[in-house]
Amino acid sequence: QSVLTQPPSVSGAPGQRVTISCTGSSSNFGAGYEVHWYQQLPGTAPKLLIYGNNNRPSGVPDRFSGSKSGTSASLAITGLQAEDEADYYCQSYDISLTVVFGGGTKLTVL
Amino acid sequence: QVQLVESGGGLVKPGGSLRLSCAASGFTFSDYYMSWIRQAPGKGLEWVSYISYSGSGIYYADSVKGRFTISRDNAQNSLYLQMNSLRAEDTAVYYCARVHNNYVDLQEYWGHGTLVAVSS
Repeated sequence: QSVLTQPPSVSGAPGQRVTISCTGSSSNFGAGYEVHWYQQLPGTAPKLLIYGNNNRPSGVPDRFSGSKSGTSASLAITGLQAEDEADYYCQSYDISLTVVFGGGTKLTVL
Repeated sequence: QVQLVESGGGLVKPGGSLRLSCAASGFTFSDYYMSWIRQAPGKGLEWVSYISYSGSGIYYADSVKGRFTISRDNAQNSLYLQMNSLRAEDTAVYYCARVHNNYVDLQEYWGHGTLVAVSS
């Protein structure tokens, strides 16, 4: 059971907007720790997508955005493209000084 | 450019040991925390451990505490994970990652991973 909770799957048609939720607790998000998001394309290593709640590393399209409020966070993808089909993971820090991940969400582009 | 190359994975029997290595290049290795993350077949990501610049600060997931040891050699630009008392549930792809300088929990760059299979 993952410390952060994500829906197992989401889907959307090309061009649509989808969101992926990530629910934490008082020991991670509620303690003020930020959320980071990773994208894992099939058969590849994870790649950093969003950090510090809503910051994009260089090269990540602005179609991807993140937010956090209280003990919840979300990743939004607008203008959905076929190449966005991947697994997405949220991640944060815990008051026990350990790194915690969500269980991952599989995005299907219809 | 940042490169992280893991090695040392393979098939090992339950109760056995394995040592993973991660060769880093393209950055000043001693300036960054480093971490190990694993992914069981068909499953999600699980953080394993991280180590500070000099190795003085080390943290482990409860699932590996007392069995795994993370270490680094800054002169060799290398990160290691000594895995003892291996169990079937340790079967996974193990990734090494460079930690972001401003976020101790942020895995900024990842290697391609090395597969560890624990089976009799």
